[in-house]
Amino acid sequence: KAGVTQTPRYLIKTRGQQVTLSCSPISGHRSVSWYQQTPGQGLQFLFEYFSETQRNKGNFPGRFSGRQFSNSRSEMNVSTLELGDSALYLCASTVRQGAVETQYFGPGTRLLVL
Amino acid sequence: DAKTTQPPSMDCAEGRAANLPCNHSTISGNEYVYWYRQIHSQGPQYIIHGLKNNETNEMASLIITEDRKSSTLILPHATLRDTAVYYCIVRLLSRGGADGLTFGKGTHLIIQP
Repeated sequence: KAGVTQTPRYLIKTRGQQVTLSCSPISGHRSVSWYQQTPGQGLQFLFEYFSETQRNKGNFPGRFSGRQFSNSRSEMNVSTLELGDSALYLCASTVRQGAVETQYFGPGTRLLVL
Repeated sequence: DAKTTQPPSMDCAEGRAANLPCNHSTISGNEYVYWYRQIHSQGPQYIIHGLKNNETNEMASLIITEDRKSSTLILPHATLRDTAVYYCIVRLLSRGGADGLTFGKGTHLIIQP
């Protein structure tokens, strides 16, 4: 099976702009999670989507939003970009079997906000 | 999810076994131990998970102590490509789905040639 794909891989934006990142999970996986990774805060959970519904959300402001489509592809959007939003954004395709959950991560989108 | 403690860094000679410890003394009975690793600038990679028994797959072995308060990830024959940050995560899934993995600072494993 193909792995998780994320587009674009690199992005440069300026403060105040908005950005949309895309993630295609592994075929058959219905759950997609998003994470932000910065040198200062490490890897932090943003939100999780399952069957087009946001099921869980981390502690991020409302400028961070997402959605999932019927084919399980997901997008996340960040509005009114701030310098601190510069980060590696990771998408994980998740499979759950009983009480065990395994997340398979994509290569990430590196966002630089100037 | 239970908190984990890992050494910030470790060195290992290429070809030798790398043993990465993790302390999770507050683990509850239903929580699983997961290991992921992240090679520089890539997405984290799932390695292995376990509940009570020792586990082995093509990548590594996981040894969990009988009281489940600590575990060790073993890479049997480390190569330079195993240089990465290794994360030990203890996790109990809620019925409502995944509320996200909690990544600590992990252990930076450096394989020396």
